[in-house]
Amino acid sequence: GENVEQHPSTLSVQEGDSAVIKCTYSDSASNYFPWYKQELGKGPQLIIDIRSNVGEKKDQRIAVTLNKTAKHFSLHITETQPEDSAVYFCAASIRNSGYSTLTFGKGTMLLVSP
Amino acid sequence: DSGVTQTPKHLITATGQRVTLRCSPRSGDLSVYWYQQSLDQGLQFLIHYYNGEERAKGNILERFSAQQFPDLHSELNLSSLELGDSALYFCASSVDQKGGQYEQYFGPGTRLTVT
Repeated sequence: GENVEQHPSTLSVQEGDSAVIKCTYSDSASNYFPWYKQELGKGPQLIIDIRSNVGEKKDQRIAVTLNKTAKHFSLHITETQPEDSAVYFCAASIRNSGYSTLTFGKGTMLLVSP
Repeated sequence: DSGVTQTPKHLITATGQRVTLRCSPRSGDLSVYWYQQSLDQGLQFLIHYYNGEERAKGNILERFSAQQFPDLHSELNLSSLELGDSALYFCASSVDQKGGQYEQYFGPGTRLTVT
């Protein structure tokens, strides 16, 4: 099955700096890559996603890049703010009998210090 | 607020017992997915239902079962509970029309503690 690895497991940055989280996946058939943000005591919240026919997608301060050849994708957060502090999960989706299931990375705890 | 609701928010029970977790998907979503989140295993896919039918199984134990009802809400049943079943259980819903890739939206979760 699909395997998703995520790095780093923790990331500390100063407010205003950029943060980059990287993920690799194993199954070349995966074609949908969402990113989720999970705050303490809450469920994962979808923040951005990318499909395999696109190399980059941007939404205000966050962007995601995808390299299908190398089978890796990354989340970039610019001008970080304390409210960006949370655990971030990447995932890869593989289709099975016409429907998709998500395989998640282990998560990155991002801490933004004022 | 994702529009997905889960009850109860917290559940404390003893080993050997049986519990039922409930999930209501977003309006219009036909798919419900169940996930288990523990510190050492991360977010693990358990099972997927689409419009009342089981579609995919992940790392779900035989002691666990689920169903989706005609009104599209879903229940996850956990039986013969063990200490290791203590975790957060999330459901997610999606439109999931056949042939497409659709976003999954997560509920707030149920925290299960087995003592």
